[in-house]
Amino acid sequence: EPEVTQTPSHQVTQMGQEVILRCVPISNHLYFYWYRQILGQKVEFLVSFYNNEISEKSEIFDDQFSVERPDGSNFTLKIRSTKLEDSAMYFCASTYMTRAGQPQHFGDGTRLSIL
Amino acid sequence: DQQVKQNSPSLSVQEGRISILNCDYTNSMFDYFLWYKKYPAEGPTFLISISSIKDKNEDGRFTVFLNKSAKHLSLHIVPSQPGDSAVYFCAAQGANNLFFGTGTRLTVIP
Repeated sequence: EPEVTQTPSHQVTQMGQEVILRCVPISNHLYFYWYRQILGQKVEFLVSFYNNEISEKSEIFDDQFSVERPDGSNFTLKIRSTKLEDSAMYFCASTYMTRAGQPQHFGDGTRLSIL
Repeated sequence: DQQVKQNSPSLSVQEGRISILNCDYTNSMFDYFLWYKKYPAEGPTFLISISSIKDKNEDGRFTVFLNKSAKHLSLHIVPSQPGDSAVYFCAAQGANNLFFGTGTRLTVIP
């Protein structure tokens, strides 16, 4: 069964450094998402992306964050200048269509640790 | 902003018995609800969904019930198996994203 893949599985970065988290969504999916889960908290929506542009973003997704689909397969999340509070699990998800109960399929996440 | 709530952080059930996981929501505009299961070091895995026009959806051992007037849904697993031990997230589908609850850790005791 096709799956969403994320790399790296664990990223350790110094505070203030830039980090890029990578995702390969399922190949025929059209909608892409990033979520994060701070330890012990719920999974929170960051951003959705469709047709090469952001369709919605949460208030967490400030100017330090950006997303890109640089080619036909990768979907990346960049944090420009990381803060301690950016430490979390970051999940990428994709779906073929929104609505109609089509589930989003999630990758196994990247654990981001900011020192 | 807690649009989706799971008030029980954990639940323990004997193997073979029924597991009932509960979820409440506040926004009556949600039209789909989903349950995800999550094992440690893995991402959430889709389990089952229900449309707001239905009150029940069943898939094998898993049944989701929706009570729109109470803004409440529940996931029933019967019979429960040790492999069902995981964190279960309730989610509501918004226009472009999912709103997740905080999760319930289910432990099925052999």
